[in-house]
Amino acid sequence: NFMLTQPHSVAESPGKTVTISCARSSGSIASNYVQWYQQRPGSSPTTVIYEDNQRPSGVPDRFSGSIDSSSNSASLTISGLKTEDEADYYCQSYDSSNQGVFGGGTKLTVL
Amino acid sequence: QLQLQESGPGLVKPSETLSLTCTVSGGSISSRGYYWGWIRQSPGKGLEYIGSIYNSGNTYYNPSLKSRVTISVDTFKNQFSLNLNSVTAADTAVYYCARHYPKDFWSTVRFDPWGQGTLVIVSS
Repeated sequence: NFMLTQPHSVAESPGKTVTISCARSSGSIASNYVQWYQQRPGSSPTTVIYEDNQRPSGVPDRFSGSIDSSSNSASLTISGLKTEDEADYYCQSYDSSNQGVFGGGTKLTVL
Repeated sequence: QLQLQESGPGLVKPSETLSLTCTVSGGSISSRGYYWGWIRQSPGKGLEYIGSIYNSGNTYYNPSLKSRVTISVDTFKNQFSLNLNSVTAADTAVYYCARHYPKDFWSTVRFDPWGQGTLVIVSS
């Protein structure tokens, strides 16, 4: 099976833009869609991006997703950072048997 | 609005069986096209997929846990359950249940919504 690797932490100031990466260890990043979940402290994960770049209703358009085949990775970009965006973010894809594969998570600090 | 709620003992002794139930409200567990899954998060760690079940009883299990895991479904009670046997301290985690979108019916595999999670500590 493959692994998804994320940076342990990132930090940025309010109003700025931050990008969180998610690198796939083997197989093409484009072969299976990537989802992104936000987990605020003490809460369960919620979807902010699905199918690489789709936002569920209610998620602000400050959140966007993309994939890059050259680096075999997915990215979550948050623009116009707000203090409420401070959370852990997890990428997720899946294998051929419908099983979820999660990245290790990235702690976003909004300074 | 679909909601999921985990329930079960918060403390389990080593070598015993961890048993949790997820109650689904605001929707039917028999709805076509959805599996129902379990995911855990060890303290300070990331998310680990455990397994999922369809209303027919068809299951998927994480190969790393497969020998110890059983997931079952009770469509009459709108619940599904997790049994994890021979637990050790390494099984201490927050256990989440979630609706699982399978590739068989959808364009992607994803989990949404999630329950609030329940902490299970393995200790004597």
